[in-house]
Amino acid sequence: KAGVTQTPRYLIKTRGQQVTLSCSPISGHRSVSWYQQTPGQGLQFLFEYFSETQRNKGNFPGRFSGRQFSNSRSEMNVSTLELGDSALYLCASSDDGNYGYTFGSGTRLTVV
Amino acid sequence: KNQVEQSPQSLIILEGKNCTLQCNYTVSPFSNLRWYKQDTGRGPVSLTIMTFSENTKSNGRYTATLDADTKQSSLHITASQLSGSASYICVVNYNNNDMRFGAGTRLTVKP
Repeated sequence: KAGVTQTPRYLIKTRGQQVTLSCSPISGHRSVSWYQQTPGQGLQFLFEYFSETQRNKGNFPGRFSGRQFSNSRSEMNVSTLELGDSALYLCASSDDGNYGYTFGSGTRLTVV
Repeated sequence: KNQVEQSPQSLIILEGKNCTLQCNYTVSPFSNLRWYKQDTGRGPVSLTIMTFSENTKSNGRYTATLDADTKQSSLHITASQLSGSASYICVVNYNNNDMRFGAGTRLTVKP
């Protein structure tokens, strides 16, 4: 059974640009969550999608948005990038959203 | 103050030795608590998931305990291996869908 796949693995963007990250969950999983991980803040929850609907949202500005498609694949978009957005962005999938999240390897975003 | 506190922040032990990591939380109502291992540059991997009624759960050389009354959990690692060098993160789910992450304990296992 394939794991959670995130693309791309690494990304370098310039301030002011926008970026879209992709996450393919484990087959059959309907819940996809996104997290930002930085050395200073640790892991922080961005948002969760379940059956194409945003079910939960963390405390991030509106520049961070996401969506989920009918096949449960999810994308995360960050607009007007800032230097502080440099981080590892992790995606996790689950079958019911409450137990046993499986994480992807993440996308390392560097904003210069 | 973080609602999920982990200690110690970092730890260095010799290969083959045991160690115990702590996680104290204040959030409620409690749903479940999970311990993850995160290797450098990789996503976290689930080690154990504990619900309110579970006191102890083992996964190989990892044994997690939970005291829901005192809101404390520990992760005991026995006979540590070099591959055990990683960050260990405690995640508490509460209010059904909310979650809080600990800052993690950085464990280094030396030969």
